[in-house]
Amino acid sequence: DIQMTQSPSSLSASVGDRVTITCRASQNINNFLNWYQQSPGQAPKLLIYGASSLKRGVPSRFSGSRSGTDFTLTITSLQPEDFATYFCQQTYSTPPAFGQGTKLEIE
Amino acid sequence: EVQLLESGGGLVQPGGSLKLSCAASGFSFSSYGVNWVRQAPGKGPEWVSSISGSGGNPKYVDSVKGRFIISRDNSRKTLYLQMNSLRVEDTAVYFCHVGVVPVAADVLDIWGQGTRVTVSS
Repeated sequence: DIQMTQSPSSLSASVGDRVTITCRASQNINNFLNWYQQSPGQAPKLLIYGASSLKRGVPSRFSGSRSGTDFTLTITSLQPEDFATYFCQQTYSTPPAFGQGTKLEIE
Repeated sequence: EVQLLESGGGLVQPGGSLKLSCAASGFSFSSYGVNWVRQAPGKGPEWVSSISGSGGNPKYVDSVKGRFIISRDNSRKTLYLQMNSLRVEDTAVYFCHVGVVPVAADVLDIWGQGTRVTVSS
């Protein structure tokens, strides 16, 4: 099974900051990597699919990139509604594993 | 409105059974594979099971193989998860999920609101 290692597990930042979250796959997954945002008590919400494609309606301050088996979610100019938990998920093979999550908190 | 609505969760004793349902509306349910994804308190999501649009090719995470059965009734636009021999570690919110499927110039990614399953004596 493919393992997804996400870091950091938590992150403190301020409104207006730029933050990056990383997921490393245990083997090649090509671009089969999604990023989700989850607020407490809510279902995950898709932000980025295919490693770097922005879901329609998601603000352009969110972006994704890939370098080999390392994937990065970048949020520029943090807004108050961005403070949530973020997960990556590989969909290259079954089981489609999620990362452990990054909780983004207000500093 | 595109929607998935889960039901059937609750409190059950270890070794017991529950059957979850997920009712779909607003899209062509039979065209898409569907997943069950669970999330234990304070943990990340975990994929549990999936089934193709036609109802074939069921797949399961190793920890539920032999205990859970996924099925669907496309005429009723409903997905099911029969959960048997439940364990404390099955305690979680269970979501049904369709995604990520190309649609026009975007993708479809649909989640239900979740149904809570608590396994405890």
